[in-house]
Amino acid sequence: GAVVSQHPSWVICKSGTSVKIECRSLDFQATTMFWYRQFPKQSLMLMATSNEGSKATYEQGVEKDKFLINHASLTLSTLTVTSAHPEDSSFYICSATSLAGGQYEQFFGPGTRLTVL
Amino acid sequence: GQSLEQPSEVTAVEGAIVQINCTYQTSGFYGLSWYQQHDGGAPTFLSYNALDGLEETGRFSSFLSRSDSYGYLLLQELQMKDSASYFCAVYTNAGKSTFGDGTTLTVKP
Repeated sequence: GAVVSQHPSWVICKSGTSVKIECRSLDFQATTMFWYRQFPKQSLMLMATSNEGSKATYEQGVEKDKFLINHASLTLSTLTVTSAHPEDSSFYICSATSLAGGQYEQFFGPGTRLTVL
Repeated sequence: GQSLEQPSEVTAVEGAIVQINCTYQTSGFYGLSWYQQHDGGAPTFLSYNALDGLEETGRFSSFLSRSDSYGYLLLQELQMKDSASYFCAVYTNAGKSTFGDGTTLTVKP
């Protein structure tokens, strides 16, 4: 199947700093990517839909000025957590979808574990 | 909006068969997916059903009934490595997925 990578895999930062997470589709073009956040023992919560060449669509309750998303190319989307605080510590996962021949498949990156001190 | 219900925990023994159910409420339903997630890892895709019926892939099968807004994941010949969380997810014609809360499967020797 298709491969999605994320970088970094983990990051520790001080409160108030900004952190950028990259998501790349390695062997296919993804016009749409998704960003999820997952707290321990909980489900994946969709944060936003990232569309190449246009603004991201944020889910209700997600601050677009705090979680900046840029989808600069068909293979790269970035999520920047601005002015991070300890409550932003979480597992951030991106995904890209493929809909070919009526078969929908969602490929996830390996995730980025963010710890804000 | 969308809502999904699945059991929070299931326990079974090695070699057994287990079924994880998922009921959903959504508008614009397009398909139902299942994902496996081990502790500390990202979800991995298991199956996708857009039409009613059973899809079989090796030891895993997935079933969908659109009229009942219901699906299930069937795991056969359970192995210890199958211990993980399993999520059902609804894919809508708006182009995004909503995940259930997950079912923690524990396989015992």
